[in-house]
Amino acid sequence: DVKVTQSSRYLVKRTGEKVFLECVQDMDHENMFWYRQDPGLGLRLIYFSYDVKMKEKGDIPEGYSVSREKKERFSLILESASTNQTSMYLCASSLSQGQNTEAFFGQGTRLTVV
Amino acid sequence: ILNVEQSPQSLHVQEGDSTNFTCSFPSSNFYALHWYRWETAKSPEALFVMTLNGDEKKKGRISATLNTKEGYSYLYIKGSQPEDSATYLCAFIEGSSDYKLSFGAGTTVTVRA
Repeated sequence: DVKVTQSSRYLVKRTGEKVFLECVQDMDHENMFWYRQDPGLGLRLIYFSYDVKMKEKGDIPEGYSVSREKKERFSLILESASTNQTSMYLCASSLSQGQNTEAFFGQGTRLTVV
Repeated sequence: ILNVEQSPQSLHVQEGDSTNFTCSFPSSNFYALHWYRWETAKSPEALFVMTLNGDEKKKGRISATLNTKEGYSYLYIKGSQPEDSATYLCAFIEGSSDYKLSFGAGTTVTVRA
């Protein structure tokens, strides 16, 4: 059974804290993604990685950074958490070869910044 | 930012009725179009991966069509059941994007018994 695992389901952090969200996949996928989901806005891409140590900004990268030191792990970092980063965060992975590259998602992390 | 739009944002359907909704995307530089179903408290799961103009895919009572020249895809649910209640997301992959998925905001379907 393929799996994308996010380290936490729920997190509560204080404004100004540095926050790490971890994602691990066991499918040997090249691509990994971080999205945030807000009501009425759907999934918005924060960062995308297509290989180890490679990253590309998505549509809303401000206030975030990422790390991909190993193929299976993609970390999202909130350098200094703010209340407007309260959201549901979803990690996903996919193959980078061929056209049938469906994405597999983690269970999501609901982050609240107080 | 790629413009991927879904309409309507939400709809309510009586059990047994059929329904459909739309995903529109850029008609140039098309690579693939995905449909995902996202049920409450679960992870989004892929329904269809569509790559060719004129593609029609079917899974049980759910089907999808694709028109890449005009930039739209329809998802159909025939004989809606309460278990079809979910948010349906489409995702567009542009030809030169390294397989990056750009999602629409979703259509939330509620099936009333």
